[in-house]
This record gives sequence, structure tokens and C-alpha cells, in this order.
Amino acid sequence: QVQLQQWGAGLLKPSETLSLTCAVYGGSLSGYYWSWIRQSPGQGLEWIGEINHSGSTNYNPSLKTRVTISVDTSKNQFSLKLSSVSAADTAVYYCAREDIVVTVAGYIHDAFDIWGQGTMVTVSS
Amino acid sequence: QSVLTQPPSASGTPGQRVTISCSGSSSNIGSNYVYWYQQLPGTAPKLLIYRNNQRPSGVPDRFSGSKSGTSASLAISGLRSEDEADYYCAAWDDSLSGLWVFGGGTKLTVL
Repeated sequence: QVQLQQWGAGLLKPSETLSLTCAVYGGSLSGYYWSWIRQSPGQGLEWIGEINHSGSTNYNPSLKTRVTISVDTSKNQFSLKLSSVSAADTAVYYCAREDIVVTVAGYIHDAFDIWGQGTMVTVSS
Repeated sequence: QSVLTQPPSASGTPGQRVTISCSGSSSNIGSNYVYWYQQLPGTAPKLLIYRNNQRPSGVPDRFSGSKSGTSASLAISGLRSEDEADYYCAAWDDSLSGLWVFGGGTKLTVL
């Protein structure tokens, strides 16, 4: 059974760079996209971006200038970096596996079927 | 402000049927599948419905999804106390280079 285990610094100062890593156990990076999603305290979910095993990425336009998602296939991991953080970036950050359905026209972004446990990141001076 | 619109709260008594709505636009719900996630307190979201109306293995058939035009609904029949949770709808949005969008979430209370 595939599991996602994530880790990273939980307390940052404004202007620092958030860095989180998500390891995939029991499965391969191939055939899926791998996403980062965050949830501010008491708020809804916000998609940050995604990457596949080849390194192809898509980012939320609202965060694109500050986000970098990378993949390390040798370690079966993918990572998130968010630069110049502020209090507005305080949230629980989740990694998630995104299923992909291949069609004649290309592919469909499908469900987030497996999630990491979440990492609370607080930005405070 | 979330791109998809959900009521902030819903409630029902055990055994009742409740529905949660999700409204979007032509670039998201109108042209792509809708997904529903259940989030119990202090836990990560869990996939509840995929591709508008499909249930993953292990999800009771008390949960059902539907879509019409630019709106979707989640129905829960035979309401149980363990259904008390936050529910989120989601869809891929074709605007710009494409992105996932979520509803603001609906807190379901079982009275």
C-alpha cells in the first residue's frame, strides 16, 4: 500500500524559504502527478502545484513566482520550496498523489487519492 | 475567496438525507470532473467521490455525487454521527495554464 511521509521545518521567520519533502513508500513516482496542497488555519484547501516523475510541473498562478517543486527519483521523493514567506503562508501543508487518466486527447488530472499526514508551518517573527 | 462555492454549513439528524452543493463555472465544473473530499477533525482529507459520481473502494454507498452543468452535489443518506466532518469539492480549472480549484468547504453537523 502506497504511503506518503512528509517532513520539513515547522517554524519560519518572514522572508525565509519554506522547504518540505515528501517520500513515497510502497510505490513508484511514475504514472502519477504529485501535488502540494495547503490549508490555512480554519480555512479551505489551496492547491500549490504539481510535478511528475519526469520533472514536468504546473503551479498555481497565485504562487508561481515563489514556488519551486522538484523531484528526486533516486530517493522516490519530491519537494516543495516557497520563498519569501509571510504570515499569510502559515498553514498545514499536505503532499498528495494525483491520479492521471490517459485519454486519446492527452490526459485528465484525476483524484488526489493518497495524502501525506500534513505539516504545520508557522511564519512568525 | 474560493473559486468553487459551497455553503459553509449543513446539518441533519441521524438517518436523514443531506445534500451539499458546489457551484462553479464553465472553466472548471462545466468542463471537468468533480471530486469530493471528507476531512475529519485533525486529519488529512480523504477521497470520497471521484469523477462526479464514482466511489473509491471502501466508501459506503450512502455517499453519492452528481453533476449538472456548472454545479455539483454530494448526497449523504442514512446520516450517521461519524459523518460529522468538513466536505470539500474540487475540480480542475482550464483557465490560464490550468490549476486545481477547491470549494471553501462545508461543515456537516449531525444533530
